[in-house]
Amino acid sequence: KQEVTQIPAALSVPEGENLVLNCSFTDSAIYNLQWFRQDPGKGLTSLLLIQSSQREQTSGRLNASLDKSSGRSTLYIAASQPGDSATYLCAAYTGFQKLVFGTGTRLLVSP
Amino acid sequence: DGGITQSPKYLFRKEGQNVTLSCEQNLNHDAMYWYRQDPGQGLRLIYYSQIVNDFQKGDIAEGYSVSREKKESFPLTVTSAQKNPTAFYLCASSTEWNTEAFFGQGTRLTVV
Repeated sequence: KQEVTQIPAALSVPEGENLVLNCSFTDSAIYNLQWFRQDPGKGLTSLLLIQSSQREQTSGRLNASLDKSSGRSTLYIAASQPGDSATYLCAAYTGFQKLVFGTGTRLLVSP
Repeated sequence: DGGITQSPKYLFRKEGQNVTLSCEQNLNHDAMYWYRQDPGQGLRLIYYSQIVNDFQKGDIAEGYSVSREKKESFPLTVTSAQKNPTAFYLCASSTEWNTEAFFGQGTRLTVV
């Protein structure tokens, strides 16, 4: 059974720092991996989707990498801003036609 | 604007009642999903549908039912058999099951 873990559970940084969020999965036989952002009381916003054949994807200040052999993905946020404060979730597409989610990293960027 | 619309945003259910959560998408996506989110837990899959008139149970389907009569719509009914229905419910869709998923804004259901 696929399990997805995100570390740390919470992170607090001053504005301007570069930071890395970690996502690990137990079964390397994933199809794709997707990163989401969730603001309090809101739905999920898709940030990046990494295909299983890709190593990384970039969108603006965000860069996500995928290493299937080690069961890890990282989300790099450059020059963090207070507006980046949210919960970040990763999810792995398994062979059973579903997304398996981690419990998220709650990020707070202070001015 | 293309997207996924969930309604209502807040819903209150009395003991023994069935309630239905609406999910509509205009993205022309084939696959649709219902997830439940509880504090401190990851999202858990309730039901999913890859095509009209077909759907499958997810990990926590007990006490829930769905229908997929139209491509755009995937309503979720929370029945009285669901013993702990208070949660945040999220609907999602994608072109196929392993492509980028898009989510609605959620419905918060509370038992009163």
